[in-house]
Amino acid sequence: TQLLEQSPQFLSIQEGENLTVYCNSSSVFSSLQWYRQEPGEGPVLLVTVVTGGEVKKLKRLTFQFGDARKDSSLHITAAQPGDTGLYLCAGASSGTYKYIFGTGTRLKVLA
Amino acid sequence: GAVVSQHPSWVICKSGTSVKIECRSLDFQATTMFWYRQFPKQSLMLMATSNEGSKATYEQGVEKDKFLINHASLTLSTLTVTSAHPEDSSFYICSASPGIGPQHFGDGTRLSIL
Repeated sequence: TQLLEQSPQFLSIQEGENLTVYCNSSSVFSSLQWYRQEPGEGPVLLVTVVTGGEVKKLKRLTFQFGDARKDSSLHITAAQPGDTGLYLCAGASSGTYKYIFGTGTRLKVLA
Repeated sequence: GAVVSQHPSWVICKSGTSVKIECRSLDFQATTMFWYRQFPKQSLMLMATSNEGSKATYEQGVEKDKFLINHASLTLSTLTVTSAHPEDSSFYICSASPGIGPQHFGDGTRLSIL
């Protein structure tokens, strides 16, 4: 069974601080996605990475896919209260569009 | 705008009732739809993969007779929670995939069984 462990589970920081969320697995993924979810809503896709070592930037968010395609990280620079939410990574194996979600990281950014 | 519509968004019903949740892709044909369950403050757990015109594939530990999935057309999949009990209360989310490209999520259905 594929398992995606995220760390930390919870994170509470002050506005303006930087943070990194990790997503680790022993399985290799052909594709890995990061989502952000607000309470009572479906998750919203932030990025998809498919190449080992790939780095993608989305404004203050930087995503990296590990060289072996088993892990990923999300780095947020100068966090803002609007970044508060549940961050989820999700990985899919080769030949499938079935994504398994990570354990989640709940981020709270205090003003 | 939303490309996947999930209905209803919230349902409260008595124990023993069967509840049907609909997931519609609005502007594309979804060859595959996925159903997830999410408990409070937890991540999404994949329940089943639904392919149009064929039987759904359930994840280990998910009761197929409890959670009936029908994917009768390329734009509609339904999840029926049969004889629901309080432990079935949860947030159910569907996603739809056109086959190529990312999956699109619905806004979820909050199910409360009294």
